[in-house]
Amino acid sequence: DTAVSQTPKYLVTQMGNDKSIKCEQNLGHDTMYWYKQDSKKFLKIMFSYNNKELIINETVPNRFSPKSPDKAHLNLHINSLELGDSAVYFCASSPSQGASNEQFFGPGTRLTVL
Amino acid sequence: GDSVTQMEGPVTLSEEAFLTINCTYTATGYPSLFWYVQYPGEGLQLLLKATKADDKGSNKGFEATYRKETTSFHLEKGSVQVSDSAVYFCALSDRVGGKLIFGQGTELSVKP
Repeated sequence: DTAVSQTPKYLVTQMGNDKSIKCEQNLGHDTMYWYKQDSKKFLKIMFSYNNKELIINETVPNRFSPKSPDKAHLNLHINSLELGDSAVYFCASSPSQGASNEQFFGPGTRLTVL
Repeated sequence: GDSVTQMEGPVTLSEEAFLTINCTYTATGYPSLFWYVQYPGEGLQLLLKATKADDKGSNKGFEATYRKETTSFHLEKGSVQVSDSAVYFCALSDRVGGKLIFGQGTELSVKP
């Protein structure tokens, strides 16, 4: 029944490693997003995809590479992890790119880089 | 660029107290405005929204009115409960791809 799911929920890894976070939505939405929430709880958009096409890339380092194999999935791969990448990453989806649409958020993935 | 500013937290209230969380925005054009709530350990949930000037969003006793003249969208509730303890985020939706631009969040703690 989960609308937007993310795996894993927690991820602890060493600096320099490569890791992936997976996101799936079963709402039939066309648009998916990745947001980063820092230690002060500030949320910032990273990427947006609409029907598997990249729409927004918000000046995120090249080490971050989103991939959307189909419109129900948006995965986030991070290369060469750095201490500053420690954060909670939220996936979200919405019916379309329309500005008035509600976005549905996943439970978040807490990434800790040691 | 577009931005959202909301009052600093944490805010601590007694049960049944009146709540106001201030939110102001800067935007070109006419954004949609939202309040999202984040309960501990969870993702964000939409609390209410307003899509044009003078619209009032309401849900679960919370209300906010889209004020274009003061570029504000203040959140109010007449009588808070312990279960309202959470972090509240004001946000606007940018027309480019529908991305949300968030304020810094306000943590609310309601004591019995």
